[in-house]
Amino acid sequence: DAGVTQSPTHLIKTRGQQVTLRCSPKSGHDTVSWYQQALGQGPQFIFQYYEEEERQRGNFPDRFSGHQFPNYSSELNVNALLLGDSALYLCASSLSGYGYTFGSGTRLTVV
Amino acid sequence: AQSVTQLGSHVSVSEGALVLLRCNYSSSVPPYLFWYVQYPNQGLQLLLKYTTGATLVKGINGFEAEFKKSETSFHLTKPSAHMSDAAEYFCAVSDRETSGSRLTFGEGTQLTVNP
Repeated sequence: DAGVTQSPTHLIKTRGQQVTLRCSPKSGHDTVSWYQQALGQGPQFIFQYYEEEERQRGNFPDRFSGHQFPNYSSELNVNALLLGDSALYLCASSLSGYGYTFGSGTRLTVV
Repeated sequence: AQSVTQLGSHVSVSEGALVLLRCNYSSSVPPYLFWYVQYPNQGLQLLLKYTTGATLVKGINGFEAEFKKSETSFHLTKPSAHMSDAAEYFCAVSDRETSGSRLTFGEGTQLTVNP
């Protein structure tokens, strides 16, 4: 049974560019959450998707947007990249009552 | 609003010694509490969680934590450290142990185990 799969594993982008990160949830999970983990810090909640809609959002600007597809997979999009967006982006999937399973993350470097 | 404070960004112990990683939380509603471990260049792995019931929670790899409401604490312990325990540890809180609730993490504690 595959866990949470994230792609790509590493990515380098230039300031001002746009990036799309992808997440496939664990089999049987219907909810996807995204977290940003800056170097040396704990993960920060970005947003959560359930039934293809954004259900909760953390304190992140509108440059951060997402999408969930009918198969429960999800994308995180970041526009107009800033140097401060460099971080490990973690996807976590869950099913009500079973807690979260995290993927290994996508390391984004903005230069 | 919820928050987590992990006391000590770096903890160093000798192999075979007691591991104690401290976590205090703030929550306006009954909390659900979690400890996660992160190895280099990897995601987060759940060590243990407290939802309701018994306040002493046992997790994987010999770790356990005790929920103390009066002290708003959820400290992580392991009687005897192993070299493989070297990693970053995160305490987290949510208000429901369901798919509908976000996790709020502490800043993390880097555990070093010396031979």
